[in-house]
Amino acid sequence: GAGVSQSPSNKVTEKGKDVELRCDPISGHTALYWYRQSLGQGLEFLIYFQGNSAPDKSGLPSDRFSAERTGGSVSTLTIQRTQQEDSAVYLCASNIAGGPSEQFFGPGTRLTVL
Amino acid sequence: AQSVTQLDSHVSVSEGTPVLLRCNYSSSYSPSLFWYVQHPNKGLQLLLKYTSAATLVKGINGFEAEFKKSETSFHLTKPSAHMSDAAEYFCVVTPVGKLIFGQGTTLQVKP
Repeated sequence: GAGVSQSPSNKVTEKGKDVELRCDPISGHTALYWYRQSLGQGLEFLIYFQGNSAPDKSGLPSDRFSAERTGGSVSTLTIQRTQQEDSAVYLCASNIAGGPSEQFFGPGTRLTVL
Repeated sequence: AQSVTQLDSHVSVSEGTPVLLRCNYSSSYSPSLFWYVQHPNKGLQLLLKYTSAATLVKGINGFEAEFKKSETSFHLTKPSAHMSDAAEYFCVVTPVGKLIFGQGTTLQVKP
């Protein structure tokens, strides 16, 4: 597509429920990133996929968070047993080579955990 | 480890006056540095980037930044602020792959 798309744009869930957030990167981009933006923590890196390499999961805050990227394109970020502190905007980005080139960001998914 | 520190959480200027947003970085090797902007209810957009070429980097909308290794700084400037510049600005350093963001500076532009 023309840009990075994310769905849903907003998600409200109850504490303890699982959620799935979707990211569709720009066609042809081999690298895909997930970030989280929250009031208390600012913008944080979560996970990074580059081609067929093992993902860099060093930013995932707990084992309740996981992500996969199927077929080298669409990615799903899953949060299990959501907690109120998971409330944030989850941003996805992609770029061509995974190096210091511009990352193109999606509009984000605003997650609210009640 | 690499990190960035944005020295001001909030900057207020009058329209038509210069803008200075300050950023210091920490890196054990020559870094790649970026400035991103986030307008209200909009996505993050790249303003400019430094990747070890010219130390004075020009970006979009009249912004520029100068990489100063001796001061470990990468301050963002613009000669004359416009109302449309009001936004959140992020200084970013990148090791391979992931971006490491500063805490952000909110720029307010007064008429």
